Amino acid sequence: EIVLTQSPATLSLSPGERATLFCRASQRVNIYVAWYQQKPGQAPRLLIYDASNRATGIPDRFSGSGSGTDFTLTISRLEPEDFALYYCHHRTVFGPGTKVDIK
Amino acid sequence: QMQLVESGGGVVQPGRSLRLSCAASRFSFSRYGMHWVRQAPGKGLEWLAVISDDETNTFYAESLKGRFTISRDNSKNTLYLQMNSLRAEDTAIYYCAKDRFSFGYLMDFWGHGALVTVTS
Repeated sequence: EIVLTQSPATLSLSPGERATLFCRASQRVNIYVAWYQQKPGQAPRLLIYDASNRATGIPDRFSGSGSGTDFTLTISRLEPEDFALYYCHHRTVFGPGTKVDIK
Repeated sequence: QMQLVESGGGVVQPGRSLRLSCAASRFSFSRYGMHWVRQAPGKGLEWLAVISDDETNTFYAESLKGRFTISRDNSKNTLYLQMNSLRAEDTAIYYCAKDRFSFGYLMDFWGHGALVTVTS
């Protein structure tokens, strides 16, 4: 089974800064990685699918890239509402998550 | 705005059964695959099962070992998860989620979840 690892586990940044989150797959997965955002007490929300496509209604400060085994989610300028947990996902597997918190 | 509302959660003793429901509205439920995903307290996301739009295909996480069954009733716009032989480690928030396609592995919209607590 494919395993997804995410780094860093926690990212401490200030509003307005750029956030770069990484996801690595244990086997090549083409472009089939998605990213979800989850805030405390809320359901996950799809941000990015097929590595680089923004889901409906997602602001353009969120972008994704990668293929094969290495993927990146970038938030160009952090807004206060962006401090949350982020999970990468491939088919039936989720990564352990990266927490973006306020520095 | 589409809506998914889970129900049927609660406190249950180990070894007992529980059935979760997920009522869908404001989208064409019968055209999309549906999933169940759970999240244990303070933990990450665990995918559980998927069912195709027409119920002909289902697929489960190996870890469930046949204890859970996903089903749907398109006439009622409702998804179900039958959970048998429940264990303490099944304690989690259970989310239903809509697939982007008729059968796939991309969950593009999620309900708010139902809490299941397995305890004696």
